[in-house]
Amino acid sequence: DQQVKQNSPSLSVQEGRISILNCDYTNSMFDYFLWYKKYPAEGPTFLISISSIKDKNEDGRFTVFLNKSAKHLSLHIVPSQPGDSAVYFCAASADNDMRFGAGTRLTVKP
Amino acid sequence: DAMVIQNPRYQVTQFGKPVTLSCSQTLNHNVMYWYQQKSSQAPKLLFHYYDKDFNNEADTPDNFQSRRPNTSFCFLDIRSPGLGDAAMYLCATSRDAGINEKLFFGSGTQLSVL
Repeated sequence: DQQVKQNSPSLSVQEGRISILNCDYTNSMFDYFLWYKKYPAEGPTFLISISSIKDKNEDGRFTVFLNKSAKHLSLHIVPSQPGDSAVYFCAASADNDMRFGAGTRLTVKP
Repeated sequence: DAMVIQNPRYQVTQFGKPVTLSCSQTLNHNVMYWYQQKSSQAPKLLFHYYDKDFNNEADTPDNFQSRRPNTSFCFLDIRSPGLGDAAMYLCATSRDAGINEKLFFGSGTQLSVL
C-alpha cells in the first residue's frame, strides 16, 4: 500500500514565482517528514525536514509546512530558480521505517 | 568528499542469470539500505543493515539477498532476475537508526534484464 502520496507527477512554474509541492500520507504513526531533491543521473539528496511537533520549518528559499490533522505536508520554494528543476520526493518516517512518495517533477522556466 | 558510491551505473543481465550490485560508503555510517525504484514509482525499501544486523522487509522476494562484509560495503544479489526486476536500485546510508535520521543516497544502478 502506498502510505505516502504525491498526486502531482509534474509541476511547471515561472522563474521568480512560488513553487508548491504537495504530499499526503495515511499513517498517523509517521513523526518525521523529509523532502529530497533528485537531479538526473544522481541519487536523491536531502533538502529539508520537519518533525511532527512543528508545523513549519524554513531554510532559505525552502519552507515545509505540516498539517497533521489533514495528514498533509507541502514544500514551498520562493523564489523559484531554473536550478530548482528536479524531481522532488516526499518521505515520512516512523522509527526506522522511511516511506517515499513517487515524486513530483518540477520545471522552472526562465 | 565522503559519499555513497554505487557500481556499476548501468547493469545488463540475462533472464535468470545471477547478478550482484555493489555499494560502498566513506561516511562510516551504521545503517545501509537498498531501495528498488521502478519508473515513476516511489522508491521501495528492500532491506537494511544496522551494523551487521540484517532487516528484511516482509514483502521483499526471496530472490533478493544482501551481504554486508564490513562497514563500508554492501551488496545486493539477485539470484534469478526476472523481467519484473528491471529497475533502478538505490543504495543509501544513515548515521544511525531511529527518528530524525536522513538518508544519503548513491547515484543508483539501473538494471536491465534481457
